[in-house]
Amino acid sequence: GAGVSQTPSNKVTEKGKYVELRCDPISGHTALYWYRQSLGQGPEFLIYFQGTGAADDSGLPNDRFFAVRPEGSVSTLKIQRTERGDSAVYLCASSEGLAGAANTGELFFGEGSRLTVL
Amino acid sequence: ELKVEQNPLFLSMQEGKNYTIYCNYSTTSDRLYWYRQDPGKSLESLFVLLSNGAVKQEGRLMASLDTKARLSTLHITAAVHDLSATYFCAVDVTSGSRLTFGEGTQLTVNP
Repeated sequence: GAGVSQTPSNKVTEKGKYVELRCDPISGHTALYWYRQSLGQGPEFLIYFQGTGAADDSGLPNDRFFAVRPEGSVSTLKIQRTERGDSAVYLCASSEGLAGAANTGELFFGEGSRLTVL
Repeated sequence: ELKVEQNPLFLSMQEGKNYTIYCNYSTTSDRLYWYRQDPGKSLESLFVLLSNGAVKQEGRLMASLDTKARLSTLHITAAVHDLSATYFCAVDVTSGSRLTFGEGTQLTVNP
């Protein structure tokens, strides 16, 4: 597609439930990122995929969070046993690949999925 | 641990005035990005600065990078209301695997 697409745009769930958030990156972008943004804060890194593999998952806060990208395109962020503190906007971004001579490393962000845990 | 600090965090200015937003970071990097975010919206890329001394301009905004001072500036010239938004700088020390964002500068331009 023309831009990064995220669904759902809004998700309200109850504490303890399981949630999946989906990201469809810009066509041809090999790198995909998940960030989390709390109100009034800058985005915080969660995980980075290069192709199908999670190249850096050091930003995932705990083992309730997991993300996959099985075919190197669409990615799903999965949150188990949600807690109220998980409430935030989850942003997905994609880029052409690692920054280097040919790539600027510029990230293109989707509109985000707003998660509210009651 | 990389720290990125923006100053000021809140800025209220009148139309027609000039001002500068500062972005300091704690670890050597020559890749810095500026993004704009409107309320309830996602982040829009404004500038990509990839070397010491880089300067980019778009309309009333100009961004620069001093890697020796670990400082980037976003200068606003003759502000207009449409520039009201939150501006983030982000630094890359990993050659593309992650960006570390500042807290953001919430800019309000008053008529």
